[in-house]
Amino acid sequence: EDQVTQSPEALRLQEGESSSLNCSYTVSGLRGLFWYRQDPGKGPEFLFTLYSAGEEKEKERLKATLTKKESFLHITAPKPEDSATYLCAVQTARGNTGKLIFGQGTTLQVKP
Amino acid sequence: DVKVTQSSRYLVKRTGEKVFLECVQDMDHENMFWYRQDPGLGLRLIYFSYDVKMKEKGDIPEGYSVSREKKERFSLILESASTNQTSMYLCASRGQDYYGYTFGSGTRLTVV
Repeated sequence: EDQVTQSPEALRLQEGESSSLNCSYTVSGLRGLFWYRQDPGKGPEFLFTLYSAGEEKEKERLKATLTKKESFLHITAPKPEDSATYLCAVQTARGNTGKLIFGQGTTLQVKP
Repeated sequence: DVKVTQSSRYLVKRTGEKVFLECVQDMDHENMFWYRQDPGLGLRLIYFSYDVKMKEKGDIPEGYSVSREKKERFSLILESASTNQTSMYLCASRGQDYYGYTFGSGTRLTVV
């Protein structure tokens, strides 16, 4: 069964304290792995897509990496405005309907 | 930018009412999706549609139906609302040439 697991569930950091969020997946053929950011009461906002092992993408303080079994979202010197829930999702090679399988998310709190 | 618009941010309905949640996208996307999001359970797929008048059940379709009469509009219908359908409902769309979703801002539905 296709599965996506994110850890930790919650993470508290001090401003400037770098860390990483993990997304582990077991799927039958990966078409793409996606990272989204979600603020309270809002819909998820797209951050990155990764397609193959070894790929990396960066945006401001965020960097996403991908291996054959997991992805990491590295946060360098975070600021309070980086506080949000970060969602990981995968699209498998099964069919072409575009269904994504989501992890449960990591809620990040950055304290000043 | 692709826009996905959900008609209501907040809704309060009574048990047994028929409830319509509307979603409109403006980028001619073929695929549209309805998810619900609950604490600890993540995003769960209710229904999706890959073309006008086409629909497929997701992981939790019970108690819901959908309608897609026009390409840009995908409606979620709660036939007889129940308290366990209190949730955040998220609509998303996806084009054929891009695997990721664009989400709407969500509808927070409370059934009393």
